[in-house]
Amino acid sequence: AQSVTQLDSHVSVSEGTPVLLRCNYSSSYSPSLFWYVQHPNKGLQLLLKYTSAATLVKGINGFEAEFKKSETSFHLTKPSAHMSDAAEYFCVRMDSSYKLIFGSGTRLLVRP
Amino acid sequence: NAGVTQTPKFQVLKTGQSMTLQCAQDMNHNSMYWYRQDPGMGLRLIYYSASEGTTDKGEVPNGYNVSRLNKREFSLRLESAAPSQTSVYFCASSTGTARGELFFGEGSRLTVL
Repeated sequence: AQSVTQLDSHVSVSEGTPVLLRCNYSSSYSPSLFWYVQHPNKGLQLLLKYTSAATLVKGINGFEAEFKKSETSFHLTKPSAHMSDAAEYFCVRMDSSYKLIFGSGTRLLVRP
Repeated sequence: NAGVTQTPKFQVLKTGQSMTLQCAQDMNHNSMYWYRQDPGMGLRLIYYSASEGTTDKGEVPNGYNVSRLNKREFSLRLESAAPSQTSVYFCASSTGTARGELFFGEGSRLTVL
């Protein structure tokens, strides 16, 4: 089955240190992939998307993700965490009928 | 800029009661969606409407019905609520189903006792 696996349910970092949120996908082809962010009691917002143009994708708020076909990964990174980055992050893939399949989410905690 | 507006934001129902969640978007989007969010499970698609006049089942449609009233509005109805339908419901819209960029409302928290 085509799916998305987020490897960590919770990640805790100190403010100013790098962020790494891990995502692996399963697919028989190179899919369209996305990262969405959800701040507390809010709807989801698109951070970035990969649609087979460049393998390194830059998003909003300093986030970026690298598509690695050989590893079937699409990890989200940020060089320096800010308190406002505390949120839940979802890795998402588009299936063959254009529906979005969401990972289970990673909750990012940023310590002062 | 309202974006996607959902009502109500909170609702408590008793088992067997019915209710309708309303959703409206002001971005002239063609496609609209209803998702439910449960802890540890991400978002799961209930129903979607690729364009005005069409609706299709998603991953978890049982117990729900939808109506695409016009291009702006997409409602979700629970005919006989069950405790398993306790969840946070999100409406979303997009320019088209192939884009993948969805714009979400702020959610409706439903509790069924």
